[in-house]
Amino acid sequence: GNSVTQMEGPVTLSEEAFLTINCTYTATGYPSLFWYVQYPGEGLQLLLKATKADDKGSNKGFEATYRKETTSFHLEKGSVQVSDSAVYFCALSGDTGRRALTFGSGTRLQVQP
Amino acid sequence: SQTIHQWPATLVQPVGSPLSLECTVEGTSNPNLYWYRQAAGRGLQLLFYSVGIGQISSEVPQNLSASRPQDRQFILSSKKLLLSDSGFYLCAWLGDRGTDTQYFGPGTRLTVL
Repeated sequence: GNSVTQMEGPVTLSEEAFLTINCTYTATGYPSLFWYVQYPGEGLQLLLKATKADDKGSNKGFEATYRKETTSFHLEKGSVQVSDSAVYFCALSGDTGRRALTFGSGTRLQVQP
Repeated sequence: SQTIHQWPATLVQPVGSPLSLECTVEGTSNPNLYWYRQAAGRGLQLLFYSVGIGQISSEVPQNLSASRPQDRQFILSSKKLLLSDSGFYLCAWLGDRGTDTQYFGPGTRLTVL
């Protein structure tokens, strides 16, 4: 079945540091890939997505490229801010029946001033 | 524009008591709806999904049930809560049947004591 593996957290960075959160997946077919962000006490917000190989999703300075050859969708940002502190979830949707998402376990990012 | 509501936002219930969580969606019709649970420090687990009124599919055998009495209303219930039912419950809807993007409500934090 489908699965998503994310790097363990928490990830602690200083403001303006470069961020990478690794995400790899296992899926049949050609899934869509997503990054969601969860701020403390809130629901999930869609951060970015990519629907086919070599697509790059981007939003709010974050980027991720759909790499089919390495089955990866790593999240990057060139300069993080304190306001980026949150939990980040990688997810995929390749289930044509349920149209449900398979999530990774989440990575907590803490950005220090 | 579409919005999704969940209530209550937080809930503290004793073991053995009943549960009813509600989710409503505005601005769309006949959406796919989903209930996910997020246990402390873990990823999201799909509990139920629904493709229409009265149509419920259960993903994980457990102490919970779901119903969809109206097109844009999705209810999560239990007759007798267990300690293990504690968690953050998220409702989501599928934005467009031609895509795989899901949009989440603000969530309900349930603590069973």
